[in-house]
Amino acid sequence: AQKVTQAQTEISVVEKEDVTLDCVYETRDTTYYLFWYKQPPSGELVFLIRRNSFDEQNEISGRYSWNFQKSTSSFNFTITASQVVDSAVYFCALSTGGATNKLIFGTGTLLAVQP
Amino acid sequence: NAGVTQTPKFRILKIGQSMTLQCTQDMNHNYMYWYRQDPGMGLKLIYYSVGAGITDKGEVPNGYNVSRSTTEDFPLRLELAAPSQTSVYFCASRDQGTPGTQYFGPGTRLLVL
Repeated sequence: AQKVTQAQTEISVVEKEDVTLDCVYETRDTTYYLFWYKQPPSGELVFLIRRNSFDEQNEISGRYSWNFQKSTSSFNFTITASQVVDSAVYFCALSTGGATNKLIFGTGTLLAVQP
Repeated sequence: NAGVTQTPKFRILKIGQSMTLQCTQDMNHNYMYWYRQDPGMGLKLIYYSVGAGITDKGEVPNGYNVSRSTTEDFPLRLELAAPSQTSVYFCASRDQGTPGTQYFGPGTRLLVL
């Protein structure tokens, strides 16, 4: 069975704090893809990053960084020096690719950044 | 380049009414998907299509139907609306040459009363 767990339902931080959003996944497939999407208050889903199972390199994009660890089946997302504009629901998702490439979503983490 | 567009943005239906949620993409993507998002939950797959004329059920297909007559359009049909179908519906598409990355439309908020 495939599953994505985001144990943190809500996180509240003050602007400029660093924050890490946790994501733990389950799959028996050796080839899979992991994603993070951002859903701001306006409601749309914005793609942030994709990682495949063969690439465990951490990635940094500006204030965003991602830590992929196959040993713990985790794909955590860190925002450095958070800003109010980072306030959103963040979803982690898993896909095993193939012909259908269905996405399995976690339940999301609501991040509130206070000024 | 508009990406994935959805209409309407918001709709109120009475129980038993029917409606079609429209989804169009202009990226020439083969794969298209319909998801629903219930409050406090992640997205769940309703139906998907791997190309024109080919559709298949996802995790929660009951109460819905789809068709895919063109590459661009993937409408979702609700035949007999029920309160349990109150949700936000997202359409997504992806290119076969970009495995894994789905791009989403802005969503349709549906309220069934």
